Amino acid sequence: RKEVEQDPGPFNVPEGATVAFNCTYSNSASQSFFWYRQDCRKEPKLLMSVYSSGNEDGRFTAQLNRASQYISLLIRDSKLSDSATYLCVVNMRRSGNKLVFGAGTILRVKS
Amino acid sequence: ETGVTQTPRHLVMGMTNKKSLKCEQHLGHNAMYWYKQSAKKPLELMFVYNFKEQTENNSVPSRFSPECPNSSHLFLHLHTLQPEDSALYLCASSQGEGGSFGTQYFGPGTRLTVL
Repeated sequence: RKEVEQDPGPFNVPEGATVAFNCTYSNSASQSFFWYRQDCRKEPKLLMSVYSSGNEDGRFTAQLNRASQYISLLIRDSKLSDSATYLCVVNMRRSGNKLVFGAGTILRVKS
Repeated sequence: ETGVTQTPRHLVMGMTNKKSLKCEQHLGHNAMYWYKQSAKKPLELMFVYNFKEQTENNSVPSRFSPECPNSSHLFLHLHTLQPEDSALYLCASSQGEGGSFGTQYFGPGTRLTVL
């Protein structure tokens, strides 16, 4: 089983749509969770951290379910500029920093 | 953004060459990382340095040799590489380790092609 699994997509959605991505992780001791965004041929950039209580940043909402070892990202009112690969990232360590990246989910927003 | 810079941005080398990748972070961070991103594969962590000390070597072949002279600079020395080493090599830095302090900021990467 992969340490971090994501549906590779692509998700093709119209502008204005709501889209959700899911991610599962294998290590129950994992402590911190993130969503990164990577545009084509660019470096990954932090989109948001994911907190146990769930958190929202504008049109983006992240949820964490520790019991099911599951993370989600919801994007509302999709924009053309949201087209990118979304990377689910898990820190596998209690102390120290070992980020494990999922392979990413491709989102294409079309007009 | 110029928080984390990498040079060169593109590199083509033969299998017998020796070259070095350079990374510099201007964020005052303590930890630096090398990652490899091959086509259609997840990012793979290669090395971690915290306060100039190597804290992680993720079973990387010895033809890759990291060097961290200070908290702001990180090098990856390359020698006798194989064509399958062709990939995007990304450098990242973070304030510390763990939790929100572990949020990593990436450089633009060096796209390496080994002939």
